[in-house]
Amino acid sequence: SAVISQKPSRDICQRGTSLTIQCQVDSQVTMMFWYRQQPGQSLTLIATANQGSEATYESGFVIDKFPISRPNLTFSTLTVSNMSPEDSSIYLCSVDFRGQETQYFGPGTRLLVL
Amino acid sequence: AQSVTQPDIHITVSEGASLELRCNYSYGATPYLFWYVQSPGQGLQLLLKYFSGDTLVQGIKGFEAEFKRSQSSFNLRKPSVHWSDAAEYFCAVGAKNGNKLVFGAGTILRVKS
Repeated sequence: SAVISQKPSRDICQRGTSLTIQCQVDSQVTMMFWYRQQPGQSLTLIATANQGSEATYESGFVIDKFPISRPNLTFSTLTVSNMSPEDSSIYLCSVDFRGQETQYFGPGTRLLVL
Repeated sequence: AQSVTQPDIHITVSEGASLELRCNYSYGATPYLFWYVQSPGQGLQLLLKYFSGDTLVQGIKGFEAEFKRSQSSFNLRKPSVHWSDAAEYFCAVGAKNGNKLVFGAGTILRVKS
């Protein structure tokens, strides 16, 4: 099975700063997704990242706050901008391999904003 | 709109005992259903999925789940729990050719020896 990695695995940031999270897959995938898991909560989809097009954001999430890049079929980044303590969460990427209609998750990035 | 309900926030079972985690979904068409497990400090691992066909599906680590359309349920079961099964379990619903997974709130499983 494919390996999905995320960098950084965890970080502690100051409010007002930005953090870029990377998601790398060792094989080409059509669909990549970014989720947020707030402390003690379930997962919420932030956006879908398609190669060669703008990301599609879910209600409540905006591009200015969570810009996403998808430069190729194996890589995506999510930036959390102008962070506040409310952004403290686990951020997970997932991928859907062509034809499987199943999402596989990376290990997550644990973010604490002070 | 799709929704998933996991009515049990916490469940505690003794090691070696059987387990059933409940999941109810709301979806207009035939759902794609998933169970994931998240161990502390880890990402989500897929346990099993149901798209169509046999309503009893087998997954990894000895887990199985049964799709019951009449009850809109997709409960997860294991006949004998091991201490390493202690984790949080998430049920999720999606759609054919869809992108979005909707997750339940999760059930935290504790295993006592």
